[in-house]
Amino acid sequence: EAQVTQNPRYLITVTGKKLTVTCSQNMNHEYMSWYRQDPGLGLRQIYYSMNVEVTDKGDVPEGYKVSRKEKRNFPLILESPSPNQTSLYFCASSWDNYNEQFFGPGTRLTVL
Amino acid sequence: AQSVTQLGSHVSVSEGALVLLRCNYSSSVPPYLFWYVQYPNQGLQLLLKYTSAATLVKGINGFEAEFKKSETSFHLTKPSAHMSDAAEYFCAVSEDFGNEKLTFGTGTRLTIIP
Repeated sequence: EAQVTQNPRYLITVTGKKLTVTCSQNMNHEYMSWYRQDPGLGLRQIYYSMNVEVTDKGDVPEGYKVSRKEKRNFPLILESPSPNQTSLYFCASSWDNYNEQFFGPGTRLTVL
Repeated sequence: AQSVTQLGSHVSVSEGALVLLRCNYSSSVPPYLFWYVQYPNQGLQLLLKYTSAATLVKGINGFEAEFKKSETSFHLTKPSAHMSDAAEYFCAVSEDFGNEKLTFGTGTRLTIIP
């Protein structure tokens, strides 16, 4: 089954404790991206990747890191999480930025 | 820089009535435009997209949208609302030529009144 998987689905952590949210897709897509969804703000793109070893900033990259060492994986790293990073995070993949994005199920992160 | 404005964070329509969700965009180059739908506690799924072919785009579940360059709009419509259409709808824009970001609007929550 074609899908985008994210782990964990739910995470509660404390300020400053490094964490990684994994994202994996099995569709051989080249374009992958991370979004955060907040009430009243819609989805905002954090980072995107056009291909392996190629990443670029979206609209809200501060406080986040990503890497794209393999085509299928695109982890999101929060080196020192803060409460304002409490949000619902979605990973997505597609062939490119003008084709359909396939979204993962979301990760609800709470930073205390 | 590209941007998207969705007028109306909440829209309510009666079952069987016309659905109209508004989206205006800003882009310095010909844009790619999308409408996505999000049902409660789910991820987003594509309704339809415009990529410079026909200006009237038909999508899934009876939705369609018309690209109007002169008005920089891409409004989503459905002739007759169904209870199952209750969801949040997002308009999005992307460009090319070295800017492959995807920018979403703030969303419109559609409520269907029985």
